[in-house]
Amino acid sequence: RKEVEQDPGPFNVPEGATVAFNCTYSNSASQSFFWYRQDCRKEPKLLMSVYSSGNEDGRFTAQLNRASQYISLLIRDSKLSDSATYLCVGTNAGNMLTFGGGTRLMVKP
Amino acid sequence: NAGVTQTPKFQVLKTGQSMTLQCAQDMNHNSMYWYRQDPGMGLRLIYYSASEGTTDKGEVPNGYNVSRLNKREFSLRLESAAPSQTSVYFCASSGRQGIDTQYFGPGTRLTVL
Repeated sequence: RKEVEQDPGPFNVPEGATVAFNCTYSNSASQSFFWYRQDCRKEPKLLMSVYSSGNEDGRFTAQLNRASQYISLLIRDSKLSDSATYLCVGTNAGNMLTFGGGTRLMVKP
Repeated sequence: NAGVTQTPKFQVLKTGQSMTLQCAQDMNHNSMYWYRQDPGMGLRLIYYSASEGTTDKGEVPNGYNVSRLNKREFSLRLESAAPSQTSVYFCASSGRQGIDTQYFGPGTRLTVL
């Protein structure tokens, strides 16, 4: 079993839609969680950190559910420019950041 | 504000050739990492350096060696390239291993024929 698992998608949504991704993690002691965005043939870039209390940055909201060991990313009012692959990140038992395989989002006009 | 830089951006090798991928960061980070990314496999850690003077194996170290030259620079060497090493290679750095955000370089696209 992978330490961080995501639905690879693709999620095809129209502009203006709300879309949510979930990601599950296996290390119950994981302390750090992040969402990264990766555009085609580019490097991953930090989208947002995920705190225990959840956090919001504009149209993006991230939540952590420790009881069920998953984190989520909600994107409201999707834009064409949101089309990308979203990587979920946790830490493994060796205290290393571990990346999920990514969820591909395609926003259509 | 360069962040993490990598050279070269693209490289084509023949089987058995050797090469070194260079990485440098200007953020005064302690930890540095080398990943490879293949379609359907996600990012896989090859080697990392938690601090200057230390290096450790990651998930897929076979066929690679690394050198943490100083706090800024972390190089990845392929001694005898194989077609299975065709991939995109990313270098990353962070302040503290396992806790802090990692910042990635632009990547090196390597093809081994």
